[in-house]
Amino acid sequence: GAGVSQSPRYKVAKRGQDVALRCDPISGHVSLFWYQQALGQGPEFLTYFQNEAQLDKSGLPSDRFFAERPEGSVSTLKIQRTQQEDSAVYLCASSLTGRGRAGELFFGEGSRLTVL
Amino acid sequence: KNQVEQSPQSLIILEGKNCTLQCNYTVSPFSNLRWYKQDTGRGPVSLTIMTFSENTKSNGRYTATLDADTKQSSLHITASQLSDSASYICVVSLFVLGDYKLSFGAGTTVTVRA
Repeated sequence: GAGVSQSPRYKVAKRGQDVALRCDPISGHVSLFWYQQALGQGPEFLTYFQNEAQLDKSGLPSDRFFAERPEGSVSTLKIQRTQQEDSAVYLCASSLTGRGRAGELFFGEGSRLTVL
Repeated sequence: KNQVEQSPQSLIILEGKNCTLQCNYTVSPFSNLRWYKQDTGRGPVSLTIMTFSENTKSNGRYTATLDADTKQSSLHITASQLSDSASYICVVSLFVLGDYKLSFGAGTTVTVRA
């Protein structure tokens, strides 16, 4: 596709439910990132993939959060037993090169999760 | 404490006026610094990327400056338009333990009024 695509755009979950958020990066992009953005704050790093390898998951807040990118393209962020503090916008970004390098980072529109 | 501090937290300006946003960072060693524009309900979009050897870069009415010695950057918006209303996020890339990491500021919310 032309850009990074995320779905669903909006998700309302009851506390305790599991949710899955999908990210379709730009075709051919090596790096994929997940970020969590609370209202009025900058994005906070969750995890990073280089192709199918998850090279950094240090930002995942608990073992309820799990991400995968099995074929090195589409990625899924799964949150188990959601809590109210999980309410945020989850941003996915992709880059042609490795993270932090001068290559541009392209973000999706985000998935807004609201946990009731 | 966040390693990338932005100021002001928010500002309101009249259409046609100029404004300058600040970004101070403490992270090192520094690789590059980026400014992003994030419209409400959208993902961030890159405005500029500067390496430590660059001290200014422009993108239309947006001009970013970088002083790697004082670890300060600014984003200047010239002749503001209503469409400039957004959050502007400063992102610093650092090289740590053989890998690159990105550190995000909290953003400055700009509101342009007619």
